[in-house]
Amino acid sequence: GNSVTQMEGPVTLSEEAFLTINCTYTATGYPSLFWYVQYPGEGLQLLLKATKADDKGSNKGFEATYRKETTSFHLEKGSVQVSDSAVYFCALSGWGAQKLVFGQGTRLTINP
Amino acid sequence: NAGVTQTPKFQVLKTGQSMTLQCAQDMNHNSMYWYRQDPGMGLRLIYYSASEGTTDKGEVPNGYNVSRLNKREFSLRLESAAPSQTSVYFCASSAAGTSGVSSYEQYFGPGTRLTVT
Repeated sequence: GNSVTQMEGPVTLSEEAFLTINCTYTATGYPSLFWYVQYPGEGLQLLLKATKADDKGSNKGFEATYRKETTSFHLEKGSVQVSDSAVYFCALSGWGAQKLVFGQGTRLTINP
Repeated sequence: NAGVTQTPKFQVLKTGQSMTLQCAQDMNHNSMYWYRQDPGMGLRLIYYSASEGTTDKGEVPNGYNVSRLNKREFSLRLESAAPSQTSVYFCASSAAGTSGVSSYEQYFGPGTRLTVT
């Protein structure tokens, strides 16, 4: 079945550092891929998405590229801020599937 | 456009009490979902509804019932609450099942924080 594996956290960085959170997936066909962010005490918000191979999703300085050859969708940001502290979830939606498959989440803390 | 709304935001129950969590969406989405999130864990799907009038079990359905009242509303009921049901509950909706839609991202409500003592 479909599955998502995320880099285990927690991850702690200093402000302005470069961020990578790894995400790899297993799926049949051509899934859509998503990154969600959950700020403390809130629900999940869609951060970015990519629906086909080689697509790059981007939002708020974050980017992720859909790599079918390596079945990966790593999240990157060039210079993180304290306000980026949150839990990040990678997810996929199989073709025609009603449900999303989520990774376990990666807690990110940015220190000033 | 409020998106997905949930009530209540917080609730404390005694073991054996019952309650219903309410969820509504104003995005005309076909599909709706209930998840629970426990500390240090990801999301686990409790039930989902692919369209008005249909519901299906997710990963952890035991101890819960759901009702898809109409296209907008999807409620979750705990008939006899147990301490193991202490969690944060999230409702979500998506356009999955809509003709012509190819990307099924889900939109989440703010959550209900439930404590069962």
